[in-house]
Amino acid sequence: AQSVAQPEDQVNVAEGNPLTVKCTYSVSGNPYLFWYVQYPNRGLQFLLKYITGDNLVKGSYGFEAEFNKSQTSFHLKKPSALVSDSALYFCAVRDPTGANNLFFGTGTRLTVIP
Amino acid sequence: DGGITQSPKYLFRKEGQNVTLSCEQNLNHDAMYWYRQDPGQGLRLIYYSQIVNDFQKGDIAEGYSVSREKKESFPLTVTSAQKNPTAFYLCASSIATGSSYEQYFGPGTRLTVT
Repeated sequence: AQSVAQPEDQVNVAEGNPLTVKCTYSVSGNPYLFWYVQYPNRGLQFLLKYITGDNLVKGSYGFEAEFNKSQTSFHLKKPSALVSDSALYFCAVRDPTGANNLFFGTGTRLTVIP
Repeated sequence: DGGITQSPKYLFRKEGQNVTLSCEQNLNHDAMYWYRQDPGQGLRLIYYSQIVNDFQKGDIAEGYSVSREKKESFPLTVTSAQKNPTAFYLCASSIATGSSYEQYFGPGTRLTVT
C-alpha cells in the first residue's frame, strides 16, 4: 500500500540558515510526489512536484526537493530560510490505483527563528 | 487559494443536524475532492469526483454524502451519522485525473459540532 512518512513533527531553523523537511514514501510503481505548504487557517498551496526526470526539482518561493529512489525519499530544501517560511508542510504521493488521489503525510511544522 | 471558494469559513452546528459545506471552482477542472484535516493526522480523503454526475468514496466516507450536478460545484453534506464531525474540511480540484496533475485547494471550512 502507498504511504508517506514525515518523521519530524517540528523543525526549527534560524533565519538565513538552510532548511530541510524530510519525507519518505512507499508506493508500488513509479512515484509521483508533491509538496504543499499550509499557513494557519488556510488551504494548502502547491510548492512542487516530482513526476520524472531530474532528481532535483525546483518550485515556488525558492524551495526545491531532491528525489532519491534508492532511499525512497523526497526531502524539501531551501538554501536560506525566511521567517515567512514558517508554516505546516505536507508531503504527498499519488495513489497509482486511484483517480489522482493523493496520500498525505502527517505534516511537519517549520518554525524559522529570527 | 486559486479559483476555489469554500463557504462558510466557520460553521457551528448542534449535534444531530445535517450540514452542507459548499465548494465552487472556476478553473474548469474535471476532478474535485473533499478532505478532512485533523491535528496531527494530515489530510484524509472523504470523496472524490472525476466527472459530473459521478463520485467515489475515499478512505473515510462514512457519515458523509456528496453530489456533482455541475462541473463547478461539489457540495459535501456532513450527516448526523458522522460520529466525530468537528474538523477542518478542505475541497480541492485538479485538471483531470492524470498522474502528473497537482491539486489546488480552497481556503477550507472549519466545522464545529456541539
